[in-house]
Amino acid sequence: ETGVTQTPRHLVMGMTNKKSLKCEQHLGHNAMYWYKQSAKKPLELMFVYNFKEQTENNSVPSRFSPECPNSSHLFLHLHTLQPEDSALYLCASSQATSGRAWETQYFGPGTRLLVL
Amino acid sequence: AQTVTQSQPEMSVQEAETVTLSCTYDTSESNYYLFWYKQPPSRQMILVIRQEAYKQQNATENRFSVNFQKAAKSFSLKISDSQLGDTAMYFCAFRNNNAGNMLTFGGGTRLMVKP
Repeated sequence: ETGVTQTPRHLVMGMTNKKSLKCEQHLGHNAMYWYKQSAKKPLELMFVYNFKEQTENNSVPSRFSPECPNSSHLFLHLHTLQPEDSALYLCASSQATSGRAWETQYFGPGTRLLVL
Repeated sequence: AQTVTQSQPEMSVQEAETVTLSCTYDTSESNYYLFWYKQPPSRQMILVIRQEAYKQQNATENRFSVNFQKAAKSFSLKISDSQLGDTAMYFCAFRNNNAGNMLTFGGGTRLMVKP
């Protein structure tokens, strides 16, 4: 596979469930990102990892727990979510995070999450 | 903090015609990049075009071009010879090159290309 992949593509969970979203990039990048895309709101950056180290947590509630075991994989662990957490969760990757010209972010297809 | 505004929530265009999507941004930075991303109904966000703030010349990628007006903080996207496959959400995004690689997105414009 090429590019950025995400699994599952769709997820329905209850508020007491624990689930995980997975992202994998096949681009040889060193930085990975989680975004939340809600209806009628701009994309919101949640977390940034650069060389497996978390460099940004955009005031995300602790019921979202990211994990980056290596530069190719990124997880988002979910527990005791609320209905307002229902959204499309997008993963992205880039070469690094220094803001240079070639560090365009490439996105995965997203996981559509519904919290009941 | 930066803000990005897309004032057109929805637009439509006839196939083969030209359409322009608007984007304005607010920043005090001088070293930045601007991007247009496309998100088709399949949801994969795809980079369409990017523009470095220091470059005077407007970026072009095949049928896609931008009109970058730095003083006005405007970054519009022109799609020429629109195709049915151009139907998608289009997002304008800003990146401050002095603050890592974090993107600030606009709210998006839904473009419908009609046959």
